[in-house]
Amino acid sequence: GQNIDQPTEMTATEGAIVQINCTYQTSGFNGLFWYQQHAGEAPTFLSYNVLDGLEEKGRFSSFLSRSKGYSYLLLKELQMKDSASYLCAVFDSNYQLIWGAGTKLIIKP
Amino acid sequence: GAVVSQHPSWVICKSGTSVKIECRSLDFQATTMFWYRQFPKQSLMLMATSNEGSKATYEQGVEKDKFLINHASLTLSTLTVTSAHPEDSSFYICSARSLTPERVLPTDTQYFGPGTRLTVL
Repeated sequence: GQNIDQPTEMTATEGAIVQINCTYQTSGFNGLFWYQQHAGEAPTFLSYNVLDGLEEKGRFSSFLSRSKGYSYLLLKELQMKDSASYLCAVFDSNYQLIWGAGTKLIIKP
Repeated sequence: GAVVSQHPSWVICKSGTSVKIECRSLDFQATTMFWYRQFPKQSLMLMATSNEGSKATYEQGVEKDKFLINHASLTLSTLTVTSAHPEDSSFYICSARSLTPERVLPTDTQYFGPGTRLTVL
């Protein structure tokens, strides 16, 4: 079956750095997405990785290792507004998006 | 970026009534639209995929006669929850994609609507 695993919840301190991991087992791979979702709102696109390596975009970076079926989202200089759920999703061989359950990130002052 | 709207933002209805939710792509043509349902503290669950002018493809476990999807134009898809019951109360989110899968690019990923919160009393 297809499976995406990410931690249920993480806590970090304002101004610090946090890494949210995602491992996946899917039928085929055509890219991995990270979305941010604030409570009561729809997800918003953060990043897309299809090749191995690190993609940096401001305070957020996303890393992919296809051989390990592994990705992480790195958030630097955490701000209170970063408190949200972070969803990992993978395009399988049919370009169907397979979603992880999301990681709730709690930022403390 | 591309904008997707949903209407209504929230709706409260009595058990047994039907509710229609509209999803519109405002500045692009959406050949494919997706309908998701999200229960509290859970991830998105894909309900169905609809392509303009053809019947929707429903995920396993989703009743097509209860959740009617119409994708009549390249900018509009509707989801009708028929004979709604309290267990149908959820956050319904649509998303739209403009290109065929073979040409999908990072910046052309699915664009999400703001969601519709349905409460069935």
